[in-house]
Amino acid sequence: TQTVSQSDAHVTVFEGDSVELRCNYSYGGSIYLSWYIQHHGRGLQFLLKYYSGNPVVQGVNGFEAEFSKSDSSFHLRKASVHWSDSAVYFCAASTTGYQNFYFGKGTSLTVIP
Amino acid sequence: EAAVTQSPRSKVAVTGGKVTLSCHQTNNHDYMYWYRQDTGHGLRLIHYSYVADSTEKGDIPDGYKASRPSQENFSLILELASLSQTAVYFCASSPWGAQDTQYFGPGTRLLVL
Repeated sequence: TQTVSQSDAHVTVFEGDSVELRCNYSYGGSIYLSWYIQHHGRGLQFLLKYYSGNPVVQGVNGFEAEFSKSDSSFHLRKASVHWSDSAVYFCAASTTGYQNFYFGKGTSLTVIP
Repeated sequence: EAAVTQSPRSKVAVTGGKVTLSCHQTNNHDYMYWYRQDTGHGLRLIHYSYVADSTEKGDIPDGYKASRPSQENFSLILELASLSQTAVYFCASSPWGAQDTQYFGPGTRLLVL
């Protein structure tokens, strides 16, 4: 069974703090990993993705994520958050030849101004 | 900019009634998807399509039908709506499948009474 788990349902930080949102997956074979952001009442928007190459990928708005095969992880980080980063963040994974994109349950990030 | 629109944006339906949710994309993408979002469950794939006049089952297709009459349009049909189908439904498109970036619509909030 292919799974994507996000261990933290809620994370609260202050503006200017750094943040790491965790994502672990369990898949066999080649894997495609992505992060999406959902602001309240809106659809999901793409942040970044990884398939191969440099394990650290840069995304929009200062976000980056690091792939680790040994840890089966793809954690999302930002060095200095802004109040507008408050949203729900979803990690998602897929594999070659498979049309489903498995989403984690999401992590709600609250940034206190 | 990729554009996926959904209609209606919200709907109240009665148990046993028929509900049709519509999705339109102007991205010229081959792939389109229907997901449902429930609190604490992330997004789950209902149906998808990679070509007009053809649809495929996702992970939770029971109680739903899909229709792709053209490349631009993809509908989700609930023939006999049930209370358990109360959720937010998202449509998405992508150029060449689940390994590619998905572009989401704003969502349709469905309440079945």
